[in-house]
Amino acid sequence: EDQVTQSPEALRLQEGESSSLNCSYTVSGLRGLFWYRQDPGKGPEFLFTLYSAGEEKEKERLKATLTKKESFLHITAPKPEDSATYLCAVQAYSGGSNYKLTFGKGTLLTVNP
Amino acid sequence: KAGVTQTPRYLIKTRGQQVTLSCSPISGHRSVSWYQQTPGQGLQFLFEYFSETQRNKGNFPGRFSGRQFSNSRSEMNVSTLELGDSALYLCASSYGDYSRLGEQYFGPGTRLTVT
Repeated sequence: EDQVTQSPEALRLQEGESSSLNCSYTVSGLRGLFWYRQDPGKGPEFLFTLYSAGEEKEKERLKATLTKKESFLHITAPKPEDSATYLCAVQAYSGGSNYKLTFGKGTLLTVNP
Repeated sequence: KAGVTQTPRYLIKTRGQQVTLSCSPISGHRSVSWYQQTPGQGLQFLFEYFSETQRNKGNFPGRFSGRQFSNSRSEMNVSTLELGDSALYLCASSYGDYSRLGEQYFGPGTRLTVT
């Protein structure tokens, strides 16, 4: 069974204190890994797609990287507005011509001013 | 471009009743996926519709069903509601090609409370 594990469950940072969130996965036939941000009371917002090991994507203070077993979301000099739950999801082959998306449970990031 | 809209935003139902939730995707998107989100289980995939056909299905009982109309709008129905069905129900739309399956755009969700 496909598994996606995110760590830590919660992370509290001071403004400007860089850190990383982890997403490890066990799937067969990985087609892509996706990062989302979710603010309280809202639906997830798509951030990045990573397709192959070694790939990196950047957006403002966020950089996502991918290896064969895990992905990291690096947050550089975070600001309070970066506070949110960050979700990762993996797309994997599920038989026939179908693929499925499996989400991790997320990391709740709080950035204090 | 207008985002994904879901109606209603909040709903309170009694055990045993049924409920229908609605989702309007982003214009041009042909795929609509439904998810259940709870604090304990996180985001769990219910099903995906593409061009009016159910293309993928998660591991939920048959009480959960859906459909998609020719304009790509989708509805989700839950029959014989149970207390455990209380959750945030999210729909997400995308163009539908498998190469970008995870590039989904979510609506704000419908908060369902079953009493």
